[in-house]
Amino acid sequence: EDKVVQSPLSLVVHEGDTVTLNCSYEVTNFRSLLWYKQEKKAPTFLFMLTSSGIEKKSGRLSSILDKKELFSILNITATQTGDSAVYLCAVGSNDYKLSFGAGTTVTVRA
Amino acid sequence: DADVTQTPRNRITKTGKRIMLECSQTKGHDRMYWYRQDPGLGLRLIYYSFDVKDINKGEISDGYSVSRQAQAKFSLSLESAIPNQTALYFCATSDLTRGTRQFFGPGTRLTVL
Repeated sequence: EDKVVQSPLSLVVHEGDTVTLNCSYEVTNFRSLLWYKQEKKAPTFLFMLTSSGIEKKSGRLSSILDKKELFSILNITATQTGDSAVYLCAVGSNDYKLSFGAGTTVTVRA
Repeated sequence: DADVTQTPRNRITKTGKRIMLECSQTKGHDRMYWYRQDPGLGLRLIYYSFDVKDINKGEISDGYSVSRQAQAKFSLSLESAIPNQTALYFCATSDLTRGTRQFFGPGTRLTVL
């Protein structure tokens, strides 16, 4: 059975702090790893990673994948209150299904 | 703008009632999915369909059924709703050109009393 584990489950930081979110996985026929942001509504896409060691960046967010050690990290630098959300990690397999982790709730205090 | 829509957005019903949740998309995607989300459990796949004649069970299909009426429409039914089906339900779509990336609808909050 495919397994995706995110840590921590939740964290509280202050504006300006840096946040590191972890995602480890055990998935048959790995194809990709995706990060989504969910703010009390539909998950919105952040990144899709398919190759090890290549950092993806979008503004203050970045992510990297390690296919040997089976994990990914999502970093958020200079956090803002608008970064408060649940961050979901999902792993895609060759049959194009996604397996989701439970999510990490990030709260950014002003 | 091309989109994924879900109706209703909120629904309160009673145990034993039949409920249908509907999903429509204008993205032209051939693949559609139904998920439920419960606190602390992430999203779990109920059913998925890769084209109109293809329907597949996900990890938690018991108590649910689906219908793919057209490429753009995918409905989820609860034949006899029970309280532990109270959850947030999401429809999603994808196509091969975007790999495994899925696009989500706004969700339906279902409460079964």
